Amino acid sequence: DQQVKQNSPSLSVQEGRISILNCDYTNSMFDYFLWYKKYPAEGPTFLISISSIKDKNEDGRFTVFLNKSAKHLSLHIVPSQPGDSAVYFCAASGGGSRLTFGEGTQLTVNP
Amino acid sequence: GAVVSQHPSWVICKSGTSVKIECRSLDFQATTMFWYRQFPKQSLMLMATSNEGSKATYEQGVEKDKFLINHASLTLSTLTVTSAHPEDSSFYICSASGGGIGELFFGEGSRLTVL
Repeated sequence: DQQVKQNSPSLSVQEGRISILNCDYTNSMFDYFLWYKKYPAEGPTFLISISSIKDKNEDGRFTVFLNKSAKHLSLHIVPSQPGDSAVYFCAASGGGSRLTFGEGTQLTVNP
Repeated sequence: GAVVSQHPSWVICKSGTSVKIECRSLDFQATTMFWYRQFPKQSLMLMATSNEGSKATYEQGVEKDKFLINHASLTLSTLTVTSAHPEDSSFYICSASGGGIGELFFGEGSRLTVL
């Protein structure tokens, strides 16, 4: 039972344009959501998070939107840069530090 | 920021041998550590949660006798893959928590190849 799903395994965008990565979840007990960035053969690094009491959180070029009624969140990167090319994981928590991860989306930003 | 270090980053072993992977929190005390496994192009799957000084809690389907987890101190947790088989080949990642979810940090990962 995949409680967190990232339906797009890959996404390709041009440098300078917006990247939108999507994530859906099924467990209504999740109340905290995170995005991680991962390069090959490295551990994930934290990017941005959002609590269920908010619907938007912004940090520089990265913005996460949460739609609780749709159980959907998205990560917007604008403007996209070639260095943003990586696998992006969506993760959710229902309390504590135990995370459930999505399958990841490979983002490629073309120069 | 806080650093979590894993060692070794790469390991190749023969089938039937045991391999130990270490996860250290370098500048904070980790009350809880998590071990994940990732197959190529798949999600990070939580294997077990370990709390310092107590037995690890394993996720359903994870063999606790095969994947031995020890969290003997607040800065070190180890994962031992016993009697490794080729199907155990994977990328293993640990994360350490110093408290709340905002203090969760990941190690660099360890790639295990069993021949």
